[in-house]
Amino acid sequence: NAGVTQTPKFQVLKTGQSMTLQCAQDMNHNSMYWYRQDPGMGLRLIYYSASEGTTDKGEVPNGYNVSRLNKREFSLRLESAAPSQTSVYFCASSERWSPYNEQFFGPGTRLTVL
Amino acid sequence: GQQLNQSPQSMFIQEGEDVSMNCTSSSIFNTWLWYKQDPGEGPVLLIALYKAGELTSNGRLTAQFGITRKDSFLNISASIPSDVGIYFCAGLLNAGGTSYGKLTFGQGTILTVHP
Repeated sequence: NAGVTQTPKFQVLKTGQSMTLQCAQDMNHNSMYWYRQDPGMGLRLIYYSASEGTTDKGEVPNGYNVSRLNKREFSLRLESAAPSQTSVYFCASSERWSPYNEQFFGPGTRLTVL
Repeated sequence: GQQLNQSPQSMFIQEGEDVSMNCTSSSIFNTWLWYKQDPGEGPVLLIALYKAGELTSNGRLTAQFGITRKDSFLNISASIPSDVGIYFCAGLLNAGGTSYGKLTFGQGTILTVHP
């Protein structure tokens, strides 16, 4: 039982390049999330998927797209990377979309955009 | 968006000392969570609180859900070097609308423990 896994762990991009961050969970959770973490800012929600087949914008969605591929997998895509997207990206999942469900986090992807 | 004010921003303590940190919000939360993030890792859940006034312990950690539902604190007793990391509070709202079910994080408290 690996929990939440993310690939890659590290990535360097040039401005304008695109890439997809992958996330998978093996806990049979219904809800999945993408956050970014910047110094002094805590974690901010980019997009979430309350259940398979649905996705919604979070607090900072601009410049990103997501795909809930199936119940296990939730990917985050940067179509044209910008230096402002340099950050650490975390995927998380929870049993369901509820104010009472803890979220479990992956190890993160450290992205640098030059 | 929603903001949680977490304090202090950083702490430098000696091994064996007790630690206290807290979070306050202008909004009411249904659930308060405390996470710890080790360097290079994702946040790991330490304690979850579901009821106003609830006091919960997990080993040397104690957390409380404030009676007004707008605050929470975390205490660590007899700190050890492996307590080093960033501690985040987080709240889950049940306000309906676009905030329902979304986790809001504090800015984090960076804890350094000197042996």
